Amino acid sequence: KAGVTQTPRYLIKTRGQQVTLSCSPISGHRSVSWYQQTPGQGLQFLFEYFSETQRNKGNFPGRFSGRQFSNSRSEMNVSTLELGDSALYLCASSSGHTLHTEAFFGQGTRLTVV
Amino acid sequence: QQQVKQSPQSLIVQKGGISIINCAYENTAFDYFPWYQQFPGKGPALLIAIRPDVSEKKEGRFTISFNKSAKQFSLHIMDSQPGDSATYFCAALSGSNYQLIWGAGTKLIIKP
Repeated sequence: KAGVTQTPRYLIKTRGQQVTLSCSPISGHRSVSWYQQTPGQGLQFLFEYFSETQRNKGNFPGRFSGRQFSNSRSEMNVSTLELGDSALYLCASSSGHTLHTEAFFGQGTRLTVV
Repeated sequence: QQQVKQSPQSLIVQKGGISIINCAYENTAFDYFPWYQQFPGKGPALLIAIRPDVSEKKEGRFTISFNKSAKQFSLHIMDSQPGDSATYFCAALSGSNYQLIWGAGTKLIIKP
C-alpha cells in the first residue's frame, strides 16, 4: 500500500510569489490535513478536508488556501509569499470515518522563501 | 485553552535508561491523546495513543500514563535504544473538532 506522497519535496521561491503544493493520500483515505512545521512553532494546523469539503481551518491568513479533488488528492496554495512562510509543509491522510483514526504523514515539502 | 504544553524541549538519556516526556493540557473536551515520533527528513508517525477512560497504555517499550484530574499525560520509553533518538510530539484532539493540537516537541538523544 503506497504511503502519502507529497510533491515537490523541495521548493525555493521569492517573496511575493505564489506556490502550490500537492498531496496524494493513501488509497481509500478521504481525509487530508495540512500542517506547517517550523523549528520554533512545532506543527501548526492549516486545514482539513474530507470528501472535497473543508471541515476545519486553523489560524492562518487568507493567503493560505487549499482544496481537495474528487479522487481525494489535495493541493495547498500560498499566495504573496513572505520570508516567514519558509517551513516544512506536511500533509496527513486518514480514513476520516471517525475523529480518532490514525493520521499517516507524508515526508513533507520543504519551502524556502528568499 | 487550546494549547498542549510539552516538556522537556530536549532530553539526553543513556542507552538502557528510561526516557520520560511530559505533556499538559487545559481543554477538558480533548478525548484522544496520540504520541508521534519523527525522524529527520521524515513526517511524524503515530507511536501510541490513549483515551481518557484508561490511565495507562503499554505497547512494547512505550507506555503512556494519563492523569485525567491533573490534565497531564506522559510517554515513558523503557530500555531506551540509540534507534529511539528522534523528536517526539504529543498531541490532543477533541471529539467535536477535526484538528490535532500539537505539543512543541522533544528532541530525544540516546547515548550509546
